[in-house]
Amino acid sequence: GAVVSQHPSWVICKSGTSVKIECRSLDFQATTMFWYRQFPKQSLMLMATSNEGSKATYEQGVEKDKFLINHASLTLSTLTVTSAHPEDSSFYICSARDLDVTGELFFGEGSRLTVL
Amino acid sequence: DQQVKQNSPSLSVQEGRISILNCDYTNSMFDYFLWYKKYPAEGPTFLISISSIKDKNEDGRFTVFLNKSAKHLSLHIVPSQPGDSAVYFCAPNNDMRFGAGTRLTVKP
Repeated sequence: GAVVSQHPSWVICKSGTSVKIECRSLDFQATTMFWYRQFPKQSLMLMATSNEGSKATYEQGVEKDKFLINHASLTLSTLTVTSAHPEDSSFYICSARDLDVTGELFFGEGSRLTVL
Repeated sequence: DQQVKQNSPSLSVQEGRISILNCDYTNSMFDYFLWYKKYPAEGPTFLISISSIKDKNEDGRFTVFLNKSAKHLSLHIVPSQPGDSAVYFCAPNNDMRFGAGTRLTVKP
């Protein structure tokens, strides 16, 4: 089946630094990938839609200058948390859709970010 | 815009009994509705889906029912097993926004 991989799975950084998280579709091409953030008590919030070769589409309330998304190839999207602060600490998850598989989203393993 | 609501944040059932998780939606324009299962510190995984032209889809212990007039779906798990304990999300195929999820706990 389709596989989506995220890296790193966890990262600790100092406040003010930037952190990049990669999301790769390993066995299919994804023109569109999605970035989520999981808040405490389970809710999964869609942050943005990453579009290959064009700008990402951000959900309302998500700062595009804070969360930079780049989708430079059909198998790779990156999320960069810029000038990270402790409140950015969260579990970030990406997903992609294999168009050969009806409707189903394939999710990465998630990346746990802790900002000190 | 689609709005998906899972009004029960948590559900606890005894092993062997039936678990019923509910999902309500507002926009009927979708081809499939999908259920995902999520364990802590992992990404969600696909569980089961239902086509908009069907009212039931069964896969082993999992059955999803679609009531289009009520704009309501339910996921039935029977018999429930401790390994089913997870958070369950529903979402249509054409909207990447999820409901709040329902945390299922199956007690041995």
